[in-house]
Amino acid sequence: QMQLVQSGPEVRKPGTSVKVSCKASGFIFASSSVQWVRQARGQGLEWIGWIVAGSENTKYAQKFQGRVTITRDMSTSTAYMEVSGLKFEDTAVYYCAADANYPLDCWGQGTLVTVSS
Amino acid sequence: SYELTQPPSVSVSPGQTARITCSGDALPDQYVYWYHQKPGQAPAVIMYKDTERPSGIPERFSGSSSGTVATLTISEVQAEDEGDYYCQSPDSSGNYWVFGGGTKLTVL
Repeated sequence: QMQLVQSGPEVRKPGTSVKVSCKASGFIFASSSVQWVRQARGQGLEWIGWIVAGSENTKYAQKFQGRVTITRDMSTSTAYMEVSGLKFEDTAVYYCAADANYPLDCWGQGTLVTVSS
Repeated sequence: SYELTQPPSVSVSPGQTARITCSGDALPDQYVYWYHQKPGQAPAVIMYKDTERPSGIPERFSGSSSGTVATLTISEVQAEDEGDYYCQSPDSSGNYWVFGGGTKLTVL
């Protein structure tokens, strides 16, 4: 059974960093790409960036360039997304999604990141 | 930056056909992917590469793309089809992806 399991909710102060993990199982992680997407409460989906697991090639939306880092650990089939310089407006549910059998057919359960002083 | 445009809302009666459009300048050269999201749940892919339907997705769902507009068509709409629908596609380089603003489908 293919699945992505994300780390639990986080609360951070403005200006700090957060790192969210996304552990894959049930499909060949090395052959997939992982996208990170976020959704503020009541808002639409926002694309953050992606990593090609096999090559470790990454791309980031211009908005997040320099503030987000996506990495992966092949030994544990886990992808990571770190956001630095957190702002109140970064409060959102962060999702990872991977290509298992079809493009982006496997999504994590979401991780709520709350930025609060 | 690249944008995809969707209508904010579509309303149909049960059994009717719903059409949700997604427009973007790079669509003639890039595939579109469609997702359905119900409240409190992660999105789920319902169409990929314009017209391909993942296994388990009913045949009532179909996709098309012509020029700068892609369309998701839902025939014989059912109450369970309610929710938010998002299109996604990369920009002309293929490296940077974007979502449309989302369309809320209401079954009257």
